[in-house]
Amino acid sequence: GENVEQHPSTLSVQEGDSAVIKCTYSDSASNYFPWYKQELGKRPQLIIDIRSNVGEKKDQRIAVTLNKTAKHFSLHITETQPEDSAVYFCAASIPSNTGKLIFGQGTTLQVKP
Amino acid sequence: DAMVIQNPRYQVTQFGKPVTLSCSQTLNHNVMYWYQQKSSQAPKLLFHYYDKDFNNEADTPDNFQSRRPNTSFCFLDIRSPGLGDAAMYLCATSDRGLVRQPQHFGDGTRLSIL
Repeated sequence: GENVEQHPSTLSVQEGDSAVIKCTYSDSASNYFPWYKQELGKRPQLIIDIRSNVGEKKDQRIAVTLNKTAKHFSLHITETQPEDSAVYFCAASIPSNTGKLIFGQGTTLQVKP
Repeated sequence: DAMVIQNPRYQVTQFGKPVTLSCSQTLNHNVMYWYQQKSSQAPKLLFHYYDKDFNNEADTPDNFQSRRPNTSFCFLDIRSPGLGDAAMYLCATSDRGLVRQPQHFGDGTRLSIL
């Protein structure tokens, strides 16, 4: 079955710097890749997603890139702010009736003021 | 406005005493999921419904059951909670159409076992 590896597990950056989180997936049939942000004690919130028919998607300070050949995708956050501090999860989904997601292990991002 | 609503937010039960967690949605999505999440680990899928079709994950303990009486509601029943079942339980929904849609999560129920 599908497996998603996420790195790094923790990431500390200075406010204003960029942060990059990388994920690799195993099933080449995967065609949907969302990223979730989860603050302490809160629900995961979708921040950006990408489908396999595009290579890059951007939304203000957040961008995601997808390399289908290498089976990896990355989250890029520019001009980081302290409120970006949270746990970030990547996920992958294969075509199916139910949209089941396979999550990466999570990255704890700390943005230091 | 909350679109995926979980009740209660916090639940305390005794070891071995059955407990039911509830989830409702106003999105009219056809898929509902239940996840277990422990201390900043990734959410772990327990089972999901596509309409009325139930899909159990292979490693979900028999202690966990689910009901979906209609499109809007889904319940998680833990028949005999053990200390290892203390966790955050997240409900999510998605609209499974021709184009993959994201999952929307509720705020979760934090379950404690005494």
